[in-house]
Amino acid sequence: DAGVIQSPRHEVTEMGQEVTLRCKPISGHNSLFWYRQTMMRGLELLIYFNNNVPIDDSGMPEDRFSAKMPNASFSTLKIQPSEPRDSAVYFCASSDRENTEAFFGQGTRLTVV
Amino acid sequence: GNSVTQMEGPVTLSEEAFLTINCTYTATGYPSLFWYVQYPGEGLQLLLKATKADDKGSNKGFEATYRKETTSFHLEKGSVQVSDSAVYFCALSDLSTNAGKSTFGDGTTLTVKP
Repeated sequence: DAGVIQSPRHEVTEMGQEVTLRCKPISGHNSLFWYRQTMMRGLELLIYFNNNVPIDDSGMPEDRFSAKMPNASFSTLKIQPSEPRDSAVYFCASSDRENTEAFFGQGTRLTVV
Repeated sequence: GNSVTQMEGPVTLSEEAFLTINCTYTATGYPSLFWYVQYPGEGLQLLLKATKADDKGSNKGFEATYRKETTSFHLEKGSVQVSDSAVYFCALSDLSTNAGKSTFGDGTTLTVKP
């Protein structure tokens, strides 16, 4: 398996633009997590899904953030409109019910100017 | 709720020194415990894990023992190398209370100097 795949690896956008981050979890995993990592706040859980259903989105910072998981092999995290304070590395991770270990993607480094 | 507290960093050691990074946890159920490592520019990857009390996880010379009586899972390595320089995260996951959601500590940055 290729692991968790995120795209793009890097994204630079202007303030006010819409940004969409994409994630393909490991096949067979039933939980998917979106994290944000910054120097100031460390690693924050934004939202997680179980069997494609959002379970906890309490970490989503504002209404500008939204996440979807239309099927078991794809998820998106959208920021609209983006702001400079959204600049961070965004990680997607997935896990299966038996092991609970989280497998992380390489991350998307987002810069909003 | 669940929480993980790990030793604040950064930690700087000389090559071949002994490493300990402390980690304690609070959990309402029966969690599995993990150490993850993050190398520069990469995502977190599992270093080792333990799923029940008194289990010892080990990998690449690193070890940690699940101590239920002290609610701890300290990471140790007898002789660190420059290549061990990274950020280390302690984490727990409790299937009995959530859908595999992990709770992470704040991370400890380790720098090993030659």
